[in-house]
Amino acid sequence: EPEVTQTPSHQVTQMGQEVILRCVPISNHLYFYWYRQILGQKVEFLVSFYNNEISEKSEIFDDQFSVERPDGSNFTLKIRSTKLEDSAMYFCASSVIGMVTGELFFGEGSRLTVL
Amino acid sequence: GQQVMQIPQYQHVQEGEDFTTYCNSSTTLSNIQWYKQRPGGHPVFLIQLVKSGEVKKQKRLTFQFGEAKKNSSLHITATQTTDVGTYFCAGTGGGNKLTFGTGTQLKVEL
Repeated sequence: EPEVTQTPSHQVTQMGQEVILRCVPISNHLYFYWYRQILGQKVEFLVSFYNNEISEKSEIFDDQFSVERPDGSNFTLKIRSTKLEDSAMYFCASSVIGMVTGELFFGEGSRLTVL
Repeated sequence: GQQVMQIPQYQHVQEGEDFTTYCNSSTTLSNIQWYKQRPGGHPVFLIQLVKSGEVKKQKRLTFQFGEAKKNSSLHITATQTTDVGTYFCAGTGGGNKLTFGTGTQLKVEL
């Protein structure tokens, strides 16, 4: 069964360092998303991406964050200068069609720990 | 911005008891989706409701979308230990942003 894959599964970094989280969405999906979940809390929307551009982003997704689809398969989330409060589980998701009618398929997540 | 709240936050039940979680949005929704997240896992899609007043069933799970399309509920009949996890509703107001609810964590005891 097709699945969304994410790497790394866990990354530990020092405050102020840059981090890149990688995702390979399901191959025929057209919409890509990043969400984050601080331990024990709700799943928070960061950004949606379609047709090689951001379609929506949340207040969390400030200038420290960027997304890119550098080739036909990968979808990356970059945090330029990490802060302690960026520690969370980051989930990538993809869907065949947009959220209005589309089911989201989530990856297993990348746990980011900022020290 | 859009806020989606769920109650209760936690629910402990004995196996065989019923369980219900309620979801309320601050704005009218285009659709509502429900996801289940097992401990240590990722959200997994359960169902989507689109029409006002819609009711859908999946075995022991019953999902309902309110008439005003601002609330929803998930009811599990005769819970089993495999039902353990956090249940999230998630809604969109029409754009490409799915807002998750605060979640209800279900624990089932034998």
